[in-house]
Amino acid sequence: AQKVTQAQTEISVVEKEDVTLDCVYETRDTTYYLFWYKQPPSGELVFLIRRNSFDEQNEISGRYSWNFQKSTSSFNFTITASQVVDSAVYFCACLGFGNEKLTFGTGTRLTIIP
Amino acid sequence: DGGITQSPKYLFRKEGQNVTLSCEQNLNHDAMYWYRQDPGQGLRLIYYSQIVNDFQKGDIAEGYSVSREKKESFPLTVTSAQKNPTAFYLCASSTTSPTGANEQYFGPGTRLTVT
Repeated sequence: AQKVTQAQTEISVVEKEDVTLDCVYETRDTTYYLFWYKQPPSGELVFLIRRNSFDEQNEISGRYSWNFQKSTSSFNFTITASQVVDSAVYFCACLGFGNEKLTFGTGTRLTIIP
Repeated sequence: DGGITQSPKYLFRKEGQNVTLSCEQNLNHDAMYWYRQDPGQGLRLIYYSQIVNDFQKGDIAEGYSVSREKKESFPLTVTSAQKNPTAFYLCASSTTSPTGANEQYFGPGTRLTVT
């Protein structure tokens, strides 16, 4: 079984500031996958990234970057130069190898203040 | 355009009535899922199906039923046995592979209100 903890319930930052969303996971699987999803006010979850447990390289996609550290069981998400359109609820999730069920954290509500 | 459709966006029912939520996908995905989301909470898995004519209970299946007669469709029925049916319901689909590294893609959701 997996467990995902997103300790930050709500974060508010002023536009153009950088912001980091924390995600800590627990799993007994040696091979697993981590995900981030964005849920804008419309409600639909939008897939952002998938990371395999055997690949600890950080990833950057435009203003988004992800820091995966197995030593601390963390998979943090940073938005650089935040924009109002980044306002949403962000979910971190974990899937063990061979499992069929994705485990979600409780989400972090991010508000970007113009 | 490929994607997942859920209808309707908003649904209102009286207590004691069964209601069926629609989910259709044209992504040619084998697996489909139903989640429930309550305010301030994460997503909880209700049912999932890896293949046509087969489905499994998730973490909160009581009071719900599903069918998977076609690859494209995975309707969810909220029965009168569900004690707190008012919630936001999300349908998702994914490919299936031996590695299990299959990201799920979500529909727009149906907000069900039961009074």
